[in-house]
Amino acid sequence: RKEVEQDPGPFNVPEGATVAFNCTYSNSASQSFFWYRQDCRKEPKLLMSVYSSGNEDGRFTAQLNRASQYISLLIRDSKLSDSATYLCVVNPWGYQKVTFGTGTKLQVIP
Amino acid sequence: NAGVTQTPKFQVLKTGQSMTLQCAQDMNHEYMSWYRQDPGMGLRLIHYSVGAGITDQGEVPNGYNVSRSTTEDFPLRLLSAAPSQTSVYFCASSSAGTGGRANYGYTFGSGTRLTVV
Repeated sequence: RKEVEQDPGPFNVPEGATVAFNCTYSNSASQSFFWYRQDCRKEPKLLMSVYSSGNEDGRFTAQLNRASQYISLLIRDSKLSDSATYLCVVNPWGYQKVTFGTGTKLQVIP
Repeated sequence: NAGVTQTPKFQVLKTGQSMTLQCAQDMNHEYMSWYRQDPGMGLRLIHYSVGAGITDQGEVPNGYNVSRSTTEDFPLRLLSAAPSQTSVYFCASSSAGTGGRANYGYTFGSGTRLTVV
């Protein structure tokens, strides 16, 4: 089983829609969780950390489910500018062999 | 702040040539990593470092060497370029985590697009 798995998509959603992605992980010792955004032919950029209690940043909400070993990213009121690939990252504490998921592609349609 | 600077941005090599991809960060980050990204493959870890003088192999280390003599610099050396090494290479850095966090998320350089012919 891969350490981190994501549905590659693409998720095609209309502007204004709500969309959610999940990312499952295999190592139950994982402690740090992140979502990154990558635009075509650009470097990944940190979108948000994922905290145990869940966290929100504007239209973006991240959740952690330790029992089922997955994290999620919810985007409300989708904008055209949200079109990108979303990568998840999980790694255990003190372990810097960071592994990225292969990403989920989102296309927001006018 | 410059963040993470990678040079060159583009490079074409002939098979068998060697070269060094440069990576420098000015954020005093302890952790640095090199990734390659191929279409449909996602980011794959080549080598990483948790501090000056300490490096370790990632998922796809063959054909690459690294060293970390200073906190700021983490060069990636291709020993004898092969067409299979045609890829986009990203360098990333992060500060060490505290309070149970492994790190605070990575900052990436803008990448080096390498073609081996």
